[in-house]
Amino acid sequence: DAGVIQSPRHEVTEMGQEVTLRCKPISGHNSLFWYRQTMMRGLELLIYFNNNVPIDDSGMPEDRFSAKMPNASFSTLKIQPSEPRDSAVYFCASSVRESAGELFFGEGSRLTVL
Amino acid sequence: EDKVVQSPLSLVVHEGDTVTLNCSYEVTNFRSLLWYKQEKKAPTFLFMLTSSGIEKKSGRLSSILDKKELFSILNITATQTGDSAVYLCAHHHSLGAGKSTFGDGTTLTVKP
Repeated sequence: DAGVIQSPRHEVTEMGQEVTLRCKPISGHNSLFWYRQTMMRGLELLIYFNNNVPIDDSGMPEDRFSAKMPNASFSTLKIQPSEPRDSAVYFCASSVRESAGELFFGEGSRLTVL
Repeated sequence: EDKVVQSPLSLVVHEGDTVTLNCSYEVTNFRSLLWYKQEKKAPTFLFMLTSSGIEKKSGRLSSILDKKELFSILNITATQTGDSAVYLCAHHHSLGAGKSTFGDGTTLTVKP
């Protein structure tokens, strides 16, 4: 079975550019989570969806960040405009359901903003 | 605000040693505590603990939860170099707030 699939794996961009990160959750999983990991702040939840509906976006840093889940098999996280402080590894994770607890993580998208 | 604190932040041992990693938490609406192992890429699930005093075991790894004292430990016996990783502890919220709060992790290095 395929796990959570993220793309791109690496992205290097210049400040001010738009960045779009993509995620395909595990089939049959109803909850999807976007996390960001940095050395300074560890793993932080940005937003999560339940049955394609955004439930909690309190971790989204600011209006430059947006996330969508148009269907059960696809989600995007967009940063526009990007800034150097957005450099991090962005993980997408899915779980069977919101209450399940166990998260299945994708391999992450490493973003570098110059 | 929920808090998950792990200690030590880093640990260096030799193969064959036994290690104990600690996780304490101050949270509302406790549901479960989870342990993950993160090597170079994504965190992978190890254990989920919901009840006090019941040890979960998988090979050389085991974990237990104390809900009265609000902590959990992860034990690794007879460590191997392949155990080198960051070990993350996370609290999973209840009451429909299906999100996990992660600790900063313990970086374990096992030397040959």
